[in-house]
Amino acid sequence: NAGVTQTPKFRVLKTGQSMTLLCAQDMNHEYMYWYRQDPGMGLRLIHYSVGEGTTAKGEVPDGYNVSRLKKQNFLLGLESAAPSQTSVYFCASSSGASGANVLTFGAGSRLTVL
Amino acid sequence: GQNIDQPTEMTATEGAIVQINCTYQTSGFNGLFWYQQHAGEAPTFLSYNVLDGLEEKGRFSSFLSRSKGYSYLLLKELQMKDSASYLCAVSDSNYQLIWGAGTKLIIKP
Repeated sequence: NAGVTQTPKFRVLKTGQSMTLLCAQDMNHEYMYWYRQDPGMGLRLIHYSVGEGTTAKGEVPDGYNVSRLKKQNFLLGLESAAPSQTSVYFCASSSGASGANVLTFGAGSRLTVL
Repeated sequence: GQNIDQPTEMTATEGAIVQINCTYQTSGFNGLFWYQQHAGEAPTFLSYNVLDGLEEKGRFSSFLSRSKGYSYLLLKELQMKDSASYLCAVSDSNYQLIWGAGTKLIIKP
């Protein structure tokens, strides 16, 4: 039972480059989330999805785009990376709203933008 | 604004008891979560409180007082593997989670 799988685990980008982080879950969860985690700060929600084909903005959506074409996958894209996007990114999923259900997290993706 | 406060770092001794506090000010309240996060790993669920009082789960207990906007996580019989960050998160009126910055717990032999 893999749970939530994120790829890649590590990536170094140059300013202006683009990339996509992939999140896959095998728990048939409706809700999926992308968070970023920075030192001294709580997890911040970037975008989330409440079901296949839906996406919504979280607390810090600027500079990111997402897609949920299949229920099990949630992609996070950076069109033009900036040093401020250096962070650890976590994908999570849940059977219902995050505030009423347990989140299952992926192992994280560490992104460095030079 | 919405705010979650927890101590940045705490140190405790193996075998002892430690209490990690969390205070919150949020727009609405639909429960409080505690997650554990070992260094370089994903957060994992520890506990959920929505009513006042103490919830016990093995060596870990979590307490909530909604009137005081306060919770604590109590860890007993500390083990070295309990060295981790402990994240407090509050569910607001829209069932969105507001996260604290986490408390790094260091266990010494």
